[in-house]
Amino acid sequence: AQKVTQAQTEISVVEKEDVTLDCVYETRDTTYYLFWYKQPPSGELVFLIRRNSFDEQNEISGRYSWNFQKSTSSFNFTITASQVVDSAVYFCALSEAGNDMRFGAGTRLTVKP
Amino acid sequence: DGGITQSPKYLFRKEGQNVTLSCEQNLNHDAMYWYRQDPGQGLRLIYYSQIVNDFQKGDIAEGYSVSREKKESFPLTVTSAQKNPTAFYLCASRDRGWKPQHFGDGTRLSIL
Repeated sequence: AQKVTQAQTEISVVEKEDVTLDCVYETRDTTYYLFWYKQPPSGELVFLIRRNSFDEQNEISGRYSWNFQKSTSSFNFTITASQVVDSAVYFCALSEAGNDMRFGAGTRLTVKP
Repeated sequence: DGGITQSPKYLFRKEGQNVTLSCEQNLNHDAMYWYRQDPGQGLRLIYYSQIVNDFQKGDIAEGYSVSREKKESFPLTVTSAQKNPTAFYLCASRDRGWKPQHFGDGTRLSIL
């Protein structure tokens, strides 16, 4: 069964637009962690944020913000005033009990100048 | 600097040949992972290891093998049984608990 769903395969925006990347997850565990990673064209995955299942506070880091809603099993990621350097593939991931992590299929974001 | 080193960056395999991808970490992490990424797709777990001399199959282990003789090293062998090995392979490690995984730069494997 699909654990993490990123329904948006590709998104294209013009610089300075705001963009939201959706992530919906599925789990029966009460304790779990959610993550967002960025994969630039060079290929390595860069960790952006971790959120545990007991902390539903929204998080803001510069132009990045995350909205975690357990009621809808969603952990969405918003980039405000997007820049060309934000162009990358973004992955949402879920870690349940145990030590493995399940990734979504990723959303390719293209920010045009 | 601490990190994960994958080598080689590019690798070519001939039909019927086994090839081994290297993954070394100096982060003192207990757990290590191998993922496969196909174009336009997410990461699929091949194998993972939580401690030395122990490893478990992930979702797509067929045609692959691993070893974990040292904490720092987790090599992946793509065997001739893997009929479609062309992909981008990522190695990761993780500290105990719910820490994020750290990734290497990846190895791109192609068939000659």
